[in-house]
Amino acid sequence: EAQVTQNPRYLITVTGKKLTVTCSQNMNHEYMSWYRQDPGLGLRQIYYSMNVEVTDKGDVPEGYKVSRKEKRNFPLILESPSPNQTSLYFCASSSHSGSASYEQYFGPGTRLTVT
Amino acid sequence: GENVEQHPSTLSVQEGDSAVIKCTYSDSASNYFPWYKQELGKRPQLIIDIRSNVGEKKDQRIAVTLNKTAKHFSLHITETQPEDSAVYFCAATPTGNQFYFGTGTSLTVIP
Repeated sequence: EAQVTQNPRYLITVTGKKLTVTCSQNMNHEYMSWYRQDPGLGLRQIYYSMNVEVTDKGDVPEGYKVSRKEKRNFPLILESPSPNQTSLYFCASSSHSGSASYEQYFGPGTRLTVT
Repeated sequence: GENVEQHPSTLSVQEGDSAVIKCTYSDSASNYFPWYKQELGKRPQLIIDIRSNVGEKKDQRIAVTLNKTAKHFSLHITETQPEDSAVYFCAATPTGNQFYFGTGTSLTVIP
């Protein structure tokens, strides 16, 4: 089954404790992206990656890091989480090869609470 | 960067009526405009998209129209059904890499 997976699905942590949210896709997509979703603000892009070792900032990259060492994985790293990073996080992937559609396939989401 | 505004934030319609959600964008370079539906507790899913070289696109009860001159695009849902109740997000991208989403419209279809 074609899918995007994220782990963990729920996480409660404390300020300053480094954490990683994993994202994996099995569709051989070149493009992957991270978003955060907050009430009233919609989805905001954190980082994206066009391919292995190619990453770039989205609209709200502050406080986050990413890496793309393998095509299927795109982890999101919070080196020193703060309460304002409490949010619902979505990973997404898309095939940009010769397609007129940039349809993104979203993972199930990770609800992060930073106390 | 691009700025996408979406209206209304909430919308209630009677079953069978039509629903229209509008989005405006600021960057004239934006050339791809998707619409995502997010049911409660679920992930967003693409329902329709349109490129800037097309003025309208339909898929059964769903249509999207684009006015490049005015920089706005709209989602039209006809013959609404209770299962259409969800949050709808529009988005725009000038590059296919950076995506800018609207703030969402919560649609309720009243049986």
